[in-house]
Amino acid sequence: AQSVAQPEDQVNVAEGNPLTVKCTYSVSGNPYLFWYVQYPNRGLQFLLKYITGDNLVKGSYGFEAEFNKSQTSFHLKKPSALVSDSALYFCAVRDMLGTYKYIFGTGTRLKVLA
Amino acid sequence: DAGITQSPRHKVTETGTPVTLRCHQTENHRYMYWYRQDPGHGLRLIHYSYGVKDTDKGEVSDGYSVSRSKTEDFLLTLESATSSQTSVYFCAISESRTLNTEAFFGQGTRLTVV
Repeated sequence: AQSVAQPEDQVNVAEGNPLTVKCTYSVSGNPYLFWYVQYPNRGLQFLLKYITGDNLVKGSYGFEAEFNKSQTSFHLKKPSALVSDSALYFCAVRDMLGTYKYIFGTGTRLKVLA
Repeated sequence: DAGITQSPRHKVTETGTPVTLRCHQTENHRYMYWYRQDPGHGLRLIHYSYGVKDTDKGEVSDGYSVSRSKTEDFLLTLESATSSQTSVYFCAISESRTLNTEAFFGQGTRLTVV
């Protein structure tokens, strides 16, 4: 079965420091991976995706993600965190074996401290 | 933003009553999904649809039913609401032209069952 795991419930980082939010995946075949962000009382907003090609994917708001096939990871990164980046982040994988549903991790709350 | 509207946005209902949540899209996308979001569980798929009158169960479908009689509308019904169905419900859509596309989310419906 396809799945993703986000091992950290919360990540704290100081403003201006680099941030990393971790995600590992388990899929059959090539993975289609996504990152979403959720601000309070809002729906999920798409940040970026990995389909094929470059292992470093760039997305919205200065975020990027590094795909590592050998470690089955897709970590979200940003070189310099902003207080406004504080939110809930979800990693997801799309099931490409027939149902095409999106499978989400449990989410990581990012708190950027001023 | 993708044209997705969820209604109602908030609802309080009594245990044992039926409840219907509506998701309406203006994007003509083929795939539609209903998720529920609960602390510690992330987003869990309830039901999804891959076309008019074509629906299937997700991982937490017990107590829920869906219908899709038109491309633009996907209805989620709680047949007899229970307190365990208190949650935030999200609808998502995805196009079918390319399967590696991201999903777009509605703003959510906060349902409280008392």
